[in-house]
Amino acid sequence: GESVGLHLPTLSVQEGDNSIINCAYSNSASDYFIWYKQESGKGPQFIIDIRSNMDKRQGQRVTVLLNKTVKHLSLQIAATQPGDSAVYFCAESVADKLIFGTGTRLQVFP
Amino acid sequence: DGGITQSPKYLFRKEGQNVTLSCEQNLNHDAMYWYRQDPGQGLRLIYYSQIVNDFQKGDIAEGYSVSREKKESFPLTVTSAQKNPTAFYLCASSIVGTVDQPQHFGDGTRLSIL
Repeated sequence: GESVGLHLPTLSVQEGDNSIINCAYSNSASDYFIWYKQESGKGPQFIIDIRSNMDKRQGQRVTVLLNKTVKHLSLQIAATQPGDSAVYFCAESVADKLIFGTGTRLQVFP
Repeated sequence: DGGITQSPKYLFRKEGQNVTLSCEQNLNHDAMYWYRQDPGQGLRLIYYSQIVNDFQKGDIAEGYSVSREKKESFPLTVTSAQKNPTAFYLCASSIVGTVDQPQHFGDGTRLSIL
């Protein structure tokens, strides 16, 4: 498959454990944030989003936390599965565009 | 099933040649986008269109051109003026052209130079 990032930070977790992927954003005026999952050779897949008037949002097995004070976003994946192995990246809204981070590679081992 | 279809999956360009990447969506989305993805970098915006017959340059538009004659189609042409075209190209769409809505992506076209 194709690699979307040859030198990305990597998080290795054991199957069944919880994963936490972090993202620091740059613009204090950003008011909308998204997490994407990208598997090798595929396009990014929307996971969850959050607006700046919220601190936390939950989806199915995923939770996004937003700390506006330190401009930090995190994605928590509960009971990580082999199918969760992918590159995860965040995006923030800046003016009329989305600015994408470089991503973190999540590796799940049995 | 609704979605975004990009074709071809792999494309090769010769020196001095223009190539066109196809992007079609059946989600009835108003806005469409083209991004370029290079290893170790975040997605970079090439062009975007918020409505039919209108489009705007993104951050790296030089050497690229687009058209938006139909709501469902947003083809990208990589011209010979683009000196470093080797990359993974991603098309996305969103319901409206505001940045408080998620963008949904196709599965990309990988362009290489012969």
